[in-house]
Amino acid sequence: DQQVKQNSPSLSVQEGRISILNCDYTNSMFDYFLWYKKYPAEGPTFLISISSIKDKNEDGRFTVFLNKSAKHLSLHIVPSQPGDSAVYFCAADSNSGYALNFGKGTSLLVTP
Amino acid sequence: DVKVTQSSRYLVKRTGEKVFLECVQDMDHENMFWYRQDPGLGLRLIYFSYDVKMKEKGDIPEGYSVSREKKERFSLILESASTNQTSMYLCASSLGGHPGVTSFMGQFFGPGTRLTVL
Repeated sequence: DQQVKQNSPSLSVQEGRISILNCDYTNSMFDYFLWYKKYPAEGPTFLISISSIKDKNEDGRFTVFLNKSAKHLSLHIVPSQPGDSAVYFCAADSNSGYALNFGKGTSLLVTP
Repeated sequence: DVKVTQSSRYLVKRTGEKVFLECVQDMDHENMFWYRQDPGLGLRLIYFSYDVKMKEKGDIPEGYSVSREKKERFSLILESASTNQTSMYLCASSLGGHPGVTSFMGQFFGPGTRLTVL
């Protein structure tokens, strides 16, 4: 039972434009949401997170928006760069301190 | 910087072999995790451990076991490797509980082991 869903397996964006990656969740008990970035043959690396008490968190070119009523979050990358090409995983934590719930990932391709 | 290391980047084994994947973290984290990543399936949790000698099954524990004899080391064991266990295996670690800070960084991952079972 997938509690975190990334419905777009892939996304292609031109360099300099905005990339928007979406994530939906079903469990209202989640209280932290995270985005990880993964290059081929490497482990995922933490990108940005947001607490459920916030609706926006920004770090440089990366902004995460949370809409709790819609159980939806999105990651915006502005401007997109070719080095951003990677698989992006959305994850959620229910204050267990244990395992995260991951989405299946969205593969982003930023073309020159 | 947190460092999570895995014993091998690439491994090739034969069906029926017993396989050990080792993971070591250097940040005194309480929690450690084993995932596998497959195309179209994302990251799936195999087992996790929240303390030495403690283990919990994840979503897909069948065919695997784990061992945590020391806090910094978490081993994944394939008792009798099969071809459907060909995958990328990722180890991760995290602090116990929530730090209660705005910037929650979750889990730190190792580089992964690409296992091929022939």
